[in-house]
Amino acid sequence: RKEVEQDPGPFNVPEGATVAFNCTYSNSASQSFFWYRQDCRKEPKLLMSVYSSGNEDGRFTAQLNRASQYISLLIRDSKLSDSATYLCVVNTFSGTYKYIFGTGTRLKVLA
Amino acid sequence: NAGVTQTPKFQVLKTGQSMTLQCAQDMNHEYMSWYRQDPGMGLRLIHYSVGAGITDQGEVPNGYNVSRSTTEDFPLRLLSAAPSQTSVYFCASSYRQNNEKLFFGSGTQLSVL
Repeated sequence: RKEVEQDPGPFNVPEGATVAFNCTYSNSASQSFFWYRQDCRKEPKLLMSVYSSGNEDGRFTAQLNRASQYISLLIRDSKLSDSATYLCVVNTFSGTYKYIFGTGTRLKVLA
Repeated sequence: NAGVTQTPKFQVLKTGQSMTLQCAQDMNHEYMSWYRQDPGMGLRLIHYSVGAGITDQGEVPNGYNVSRSTTEDFPLRLLSAAPSQTSVYFCASSYRQNNEKLFFGSGTQLSVL
């Protein structure tokens, strides 16, 4: 079983819709959590960090549930430009820290 | 600032050939890592390093070697390339080994025939 799992999608949503992605992780010693965005196999770019109390950045909201070991990303008022793959990243500890990626969730926003 | 410099951008190898993918960062980052990305698989961690002289295996280390003789450089070596190593490779670094943003190189498209 992968340490970090995501639904690969694709999620096809109309412009203006709200869409949510979840990501589960298996290592309870995981320290920090992030969402990255990747366009067409280019290098991933940080979208936002995920804090324990939840955090918001414009139309994007991230939540962390340590008890159930998952994080979520909510996108409100979807734009065409939001079409991309969203990667969940977990900073996990096993002797040293390392960053493990989920498989990514593809989002297509349709006009 | 150059950030993370990864070379080459494209490479074609024959089965059994060796090569080194170069990765360098000029941000005094403690943590450096190599990932491969295959369709439907996300990014999988190959090897990583938390400082000069320290390396460790990730999720898919077989067939790859690394070394970290300086803080700046973290080369990835393929000793005997196989078609299963056809992939897109990304180098990434961060200031510390935990709780930090990753900075990525622009990727290497490797094909092994």
